[in-house]
Amino acid sequence: AQRVTQPEKLLSVFKGAPVELKCNYSYSGSPELFWYVQYSRQRLQLLLRHISRESIKGFTADLNKGETSFHLKKPFAQEEDSAMYYCALRLTTDSWGKLQFGAGTQVVVTP
Amino acid sequence: DTGVSQDPRHKITKRGQNVTFRCDPISEHNRLYWYRQTLGQGPEFLTYFQNEAQLEKSRLLSDRFSAERPKGSFSTLEIQRTEQGDSAMYLCASSERDKLKTQYFGPGTRLLVL
Repeated sequence: AQRVTQPEKLLSVFKGAPVELKCNYSYSGSPELFWYVQYSRQRLQLLLRHISRESIKGFTADLNKGETSFHLKKPFAQEEDSAMYYCALRLTTDSWGKLQFGAGTQVVVTP
Repeated sequence: DTGVSQDPRHKITKRGQNVTFRCDPISEHNRLYWYRQTLGQGPEFLTYFQNEAQLEKSRLLSDRFSAERPKGSFSTLEIQRTEQGDSAMYLCASSERDKLKTQYFGPGTRLLVL
């Protein structure tokens, strides 16, 4: 069965410092990987997806199939990046189907 | 607000009671999903619909849970004979037809079973 692991429950960084959120997955096929974010008192929203290969709000994520990882990175954290971040996986064989989420990482950016 | 909406936002009930939640997806989104999120965990898939057809149900969805989407628009999730373990945030999402099939989430319904 597929599994998404986010090993850090909490990540505390200073403003301007780099931040990296780890995400590892287990799946024998080729998955679609996503990062969702939930800011305080807001709904869960898509931050970025691996197939788009884009940078959103300064964040990037690279799918490493060899290491089965999809870590989220930002070179200079901002206070507005404080939020809950979830890594999620979707099977490419079922692109309309369910998302499988990790347990999430709480990011706190302090000035 | 044209996003996914859910009602109620909060529900407190006593063990053994039945509860029903409603989800209104984004207009013209034909896919609708239900997830459950407990404290300290990410959302877990419960079920999803394409139009009015329920296409997949998780093993998490016990016999006490039933979901419907009778006209292919809004959906309801009913929990019968609630248990304390049902306390969670219930999230609804809808997905558009484009090739990215992005799931857009509602604000959730927080259920507390006493």
